[in-house]
Amino acid sequence: DAKTTQPNSMESNEEEPVHLPCNHSTISGTDYIHWYRQLPSQGPEYVIHGLTSNVNNRMASLAIAEDRKSSTLILHRATLRDAAVYYCILRQRGRNAGNMLTFGGGTRLMVKP
Amino acid sequence: GAVVSQHPSWVICKSGTSVKIECRSLDFQATTMFWYRQFPKQSLMLMATSNEGSKATYEQGVEKDKFLINHASLTLSTLTVTSAHPEDSSFYICSARRGGVQETQYFGPGTRLLVL
Repeated sequence: DAKTTQPNSMESNEEEPVHLPCNHSTISGTDYIHWYRQLPSQGPEYVIHGLTSNVNNRMASLAIAEDRKSSTLILHRATLRDAAVYYCILRQRGRNAGNMLTFGGGTRLMVKP
Repeated sequence: GAVVSQHPSWVICKSGTSVKIECRSLDFQATTMFWYRQFPKQSLMLMATSNEGSKATYEQGVEKDKFLINHASLTLSTLTVTSAHPEDSSFYICSARRGGVQETQYFGPGTRLLVL
């Protein structure tokens, strides 16, 4: 199974952009890159996902390297409510079990006022 | 976005009792649901994959006779922790897979179980 590597923690100042990196050097050609975040005592929340091209939505942007071996989640203006653990996950495809998501350690983002 | 609910949100029980947790997809049908467990300061660990109308698929090390999963309809899956013990105390989270072009998974808010 393809794995991802993320920094354990990052700090950001409120109102500033945040770039959360993720390495996935063993990604296969049909794996989607998913990002979820988990606030304290809550279930994970979907943030964004992509395959090859950069993606934007109301929550964030996803920049995918040309070789797809890394990606970066971009929060354009961090707020205190963005403090959470951010998980970068490769969605496994082609398995009968239904494409479950395998969570790694994630990056704990701390936002300072 | 899609909504997944869980009930109860928290439960405290005595050792030896059984606890049932419900997971519902509120605005979409989910042929596949997943059950995760999360211990403090750790990441989510997949316990089992629940398919509507068939037996669940359990991950290695998860006792199927202890963690009973039923996926009776396209919007409901239940997890029953049988004969719960203090080491089963954890945060249990379900997710439902929404199919289509933008297939993705949506997670419930979690159920915190404390076994005394």
